[in-house]
Amino acid sequence: ETGVTQSPTHLIKTRGQQVTLRCSSQSGHNTVSWYQQALGQGPQFIFQYYREEENGRGNFPPRFSGLQFPNYSSELNVNALELDDSALYLCASSLAVSTGELFFGEGSRLTVL
Amino acid sequence: DAKTTQPNSMESNEEEPVHLPCNHSTISGTDYIHWYRQLPSQGPEYVIHGLTSNVNNRMASLAIAEDRKSSTLILHRATLRDAAVYYCILRDPGGSQGNLIFGKGTKLSVKP
Repeated sequence: ETGVTQSPTHLIKTRGQQVTLRCSSQSGHNTVSWYQQALGQGPQFIFQYYREEENGRGNFPPRFSGLQFPNYSSELNVNALELDDSALYLCASSLAVSTGELFFGEGSRLTVL
Repeated sequence: DAKTTQPNSMESNEEEPVHLPCNHSTISGTDYIHWYRQLPSQGPEYVIHGLTSNVNNRMASLAIAEDRKSSTLILHRATLRDAAVYYCILRDPGGSQGNLIFGKGTKLSVKP
């Protein structure tokens, strides 16, 4: 069983640029959620995708957007990067079961200069 | 979603039991209690969850107070690999399935 994989593991961008982060779900999982984790803080929910549609969103502006593909893999796009966007971005996959556990990837570390 | 309160940090000796407390006085009747942990440089990892009864699995035990206003994660014999940040999270089955509200968690240090 393949776990959740994310790419790239590390990247550096400058203010105003755009970034795309990628996530491959664990085999058979149809729900993907994305989290932002600032240094020293717990992860914060950005949004969730199920059946290629966003069906839940946290307190993040519209410049954070995403996609889910038919194979359940997903992308997180962030436009007009700001310094505060520097964080670890985590992807988690799960089955669409309300109390099911989430399986997290190891994250993509984004640094915005 | 209801909030949880955990100590910022705890220390344990290797091979001794560890009891990690969590207060959730505003828990609703349908909230599940979930625990995740995050090892250094890794994503969070599911540990255990329960609703009312105490739960055991290969990683840990979860003891839930009768009034459900608090719970305790029990690691029976701490190892160095158990050094991590432990998060206690309440999940409403009616909410977004992928939406976990993480606090700052408890940073567990394990001494050899």
